[in-house]
Amino acid sequence: GAVVSQHPSRVICKSGTSVKIECRSLDFQATTMFWYRQFPKQSLMLMATSNEGSKATYEQGVEKDKFLINHASLTLSTLTVTSAHPEDSSFYICSARVPSGRGGEQYFGPGTRLTVT
Amino acid sequence: KQEVTQIPAALSVPEGENLVLNCSFTDSAIYNLQWFRQDPGKGLTSLLLIQSSQREQTSGRLNASLDKSSGRSTLYIAASQPGDSATYLCAVLNAGNNRKLIWGLGTSLAVNP
Repeated sequence: GAVVSQHPSRVICKSGTSVKIECRSLDFQATTMFWYRQFPKQSLMLMATSNEGSKATYEQGVEKDKFLINHASLTLSTLTVTSAHPEDSSFYICSARVPSGRGGEQYFGPGTRLTVT
Repeated sequence: KQEVTQIPAALSVPEGENLVLNCSFTDSAIYNLQWFRQDPGKGLTSLLLIQSSQREQTSGRLNASLDKSSGRSTLYIAASQPGDSATYLCAVLNAGNNRKLIWGLGTSLAVNP
């Protein structure tokens, strides 16, 4: 299957600082990438859909000015958590979708554990 | 609105048993259905993807079926092993322009040696 990488895997930051998380599709070009967050023992919550070269589409209740998403190339999307607060501490997972012509399967990165102190 | 339900929420079995995990969805207009595995504190691993036109997919000891008309999918795990212990998630991709995965809450599986 296809491989999606995420960096960093863990990050601890102080309240008020910004954190950038990178998501890369290593062996395929992904026109669409997704960002999820997951709280302990809960299912994934979609935050936003990112299309290469255009603005991300945010889900209801997700602050676009706080969670900045950039999908600058077909293999890279970034999520920047700005002015982080302890309540932003969570597990963030990115995903990339294989083009529809190749089945449309979605592959997930290993996740980033963000802790805001 | 598409809703995905997984039953049971948790399952504990002895090693070697064959088992079935269930997933149901309310809207049959789907593009595909995927089964994933998630280990604690880890990302998701895609196990099987079934396109809407397919009935089943197999990979090793795993077999997933899809009955789109009744809104059901099952994941069959043969000869379970302790290493199969994880949370299994089912997700459907809706047909149409707004293609987002709709998730079930998962089945937490424990295979006891």
